[in-house]
Amino acid sequence: SAVISQKPSRDICQRGTSLTIQCQVDSQVTMMFWYRQQPGQSLTLIATANQGSEATYESGFVIDKFPISRPNLTFSTLTVSNMSPEDSSIYLCSVGKRTAYEQYFGPGTRLTVT
Amino acid sequence: DAKTTQPTSMDCAEGRAANLPCNHSTISGNEYVYWYRQIHSQGPQYIIHGLKNNETNEMASLIITEDRKSSTLILPHATLRDTAVYYCIVSFSGGYQKVTFGTGTKLQVIP
Repeated sequence: SAVISQKPSRDICQRGTSLTIQCQVDSQVTMMFWYRQQPGQSLTLIATANQGSEATYESGFVIDKFPISRPNLTFSTLTVSNMSPEDSSIYLCSVGKRTAYEQYFGPGTRLTVT
Repeated sequence: DAKTTQPTSMDCAEGRAANLPCNHSTISGNEYVYWYRQIHSQGPQYIIHGLKNNETNEMASLIITEDRKSSTLILPHATLRDTAVYYCIVSFSGGYQKVTFGTGTKLQVIP
């Protein structure tokens, strides 16, 4: 298994500003994923982050808006840039291991943009 | 990934079995059926997965039809803590594969 922590757990930000969300895992993992969950909705994959390579973004998400870093096998950050109220969501990271079938999810970061 | 269809919501009496159906008629031969659940204000939690055979673990049982076009997640004795959104997902094997979430089934366990 894997234990995942995210910082911050929640934040309220003003439009036009940026927020960086951290995801820390208690063991080395191959893949890290970032998801967005808008109010009352299901999870939508933003991007996949491999250590040492550029993140792969899903349709509708771009690097300028959601830059991702993956400096090592236990840590990643997602930045939400130039925020607008439409960015108000829960942002979750998850990790996958080649030795496991399942993914493990963090508790999420609840972002409110005013 | 194959698309899945689940009922929007279900109720279950506490202590009874909760049977959550899922249709995945376009599943390919090497895709697995995964179930996750998301309790309110928490990240999704893996429950169980299977390829062809029925599977059981400490949390639930997974029944997959012979043609693999549908499956049922069974919580044998539902408790109030099982109230959550349950997601049926079809994906290739491996935790490193990206997961596409559908809308899921909101299960309400009633006292």
